[in-house]
Amino acid sequence: DAGVTQSPTHLIKTRGQQVTLRCSPISGHKSVSWYQQVLGQGPQFIFQYYEKEERGRGNFPDRFSARQFPNYSSELNVNALLLGDSALYLCASSLVERSTDTQYFGPGTRLTVL
Amino acid sequence: AQSVTQLGSHVSVSEGALVLLRCNYSSSVPPYLFWYVQYPNQGLQLLLKYTSAATLVKGINGFEAEFKKSETSFHLTKPSAHMSDAAEYFCAVSPYNQGGKLIFGQGTELSVKP
Repeated sequence: DAGVTQSPTHLIKTRGQQVTLRCSPISGHKSVSWYQQVLGQGPQFIFQYYEKEERGRGNFPDRFSARQFPNYSSELNVNALLLGDSALYLCASSLVERSTDTQYFGPGTRLTVL
Repeated sequence: AQSVTQLGSHVSVSEGALVLLRCNYSSSVPPYLFWYVQYPNQGLQLLLKYTSAATLVKGINGFEAEFKKSETSFHLTKPSAHMSDAAEYFCAVSPYNQGGKLIFGQGTELSVKP
């Protein structure tokens, strides 16, 4: 079975631009979460979606938004990019939204903001 | 707020030696705990998780971890290091009743010397 897939793999943007990152969960998984991993740090929780509804949001500005589609895939949007948004963006999927559920991570999208 | 502390940002061991990576959590209610491994330019892979069953948890690749409530710790061990174990290791907590949100530690980079 295919794991979590993310696109694109790498992305280079300039300050002020907008970016959309995409994620396809493992088949049968209904929950998708997004994390930001800045170089040298652990991943930071951005959003969790379950059954197309936002179920959790981390401490990120309103420039960050996301949505989940009927097929459970998800998009993360970041507006007005800042240099500090440069990071590896990880998507994770799980069967449901329980705290005990294992989250399976994709390979990530490396975003560079110049 | 719950948090995770990983003692030692870098650990170096010889091949065949014991691996010990330390993780302490802060929580008034014992959370669910996870260890993930990240190889260069890849996403995170689950090694093992504690979800309030047995306190000694066995994972993949010969790793295990013991949940100690009195010490608020969840240290990761492996009896004999292999060169392929060289990677970044992250401890994470999933707060009780907050869905699948994961709070990660800063990570520990494990180096294995021949």
